[in-house]
Amino acid sequence: DQQVKQNSPSLSVQEGRISILNCDYTNSMFDYFLWYKKYPAEGPTFLISISSIKDKNEDGRFTVFLNKSAKHLSLHIVPSQPGDSAVYFCAPRKDSGGSNYKLTFGKGTLLTVNP
Amino acid sequence: DTAVSQTPKYLVTQMGNDKSIKCEQNLGHDTMYWYKQDSKKFLKIMFSYNNKELIINETVPNRFSPKSPDKAHLNLHINSLELGDSAVYFCASSQGAGGRETQYFGPGTRLLVL
Repeated sequence: DQQVKQNSPSLSVQEGRISILNCDYTNSMFDYFLWYKKYPAEGPTFLISISSIKDKNEDGRFTVFLNKSAKHLSLHIVPSQPGDSAVYFCAPRKDSGGSNYKLTFGKGTLLTVNP
Repeated sequence: DTAVSQTPKYLVTQMGNDKSIKCEQNLGHDTMYWYKQDSKKFLKIMFSYNNKELIINETVPNRFSPKSPDKAHLNLHINSLELGDSAVYFCASSQGAGGRETQYFGPGTRLLVL
């Protein structure tokens, strides 16, 4: 049962253009949404997050948009740089009881930014 | 200095063997996690410890036993390894188990069971 879907396994973009990575979820109990970035042979690193009470959060070149009614979020990177080439994971969070929060990861989207 | 480190990075072993993966964090965090990334690339939580106490225990075979000797360490012992245990295992840590704590991941341990 995939609660988090990143339907595009890969995305290729030219340097300087916008990258848009999408994520859909099914569990309405998710209340906080995180994006992690992963380079080969490394662990994921936190990139940006958004609370369910907001519809947009911006941090430099990275912006995350949340559409709760559609259970959809997207990560925009503009302008894209070759160093952004990595796998991006969408990871919503829900309270698993007693304030213990559990992240549920999507399968990830491999972004390749071509110079 | 590596914040979250795992040993070994690679582990190749035969079916039926018992093996351990070690994790250490030097961030002063009190919550640690084990995740498994299988061949389908899903990253799924297995266990979480807060102050050496087990707080999350997903549906994992009891051949997997986490052990937290102190807040800075969370080891994973796997008995009677099976082919399906082949995966990348990531350790992570965070300051607290709740709120909006960022989880910091180790580089992963690539386990191959033959």
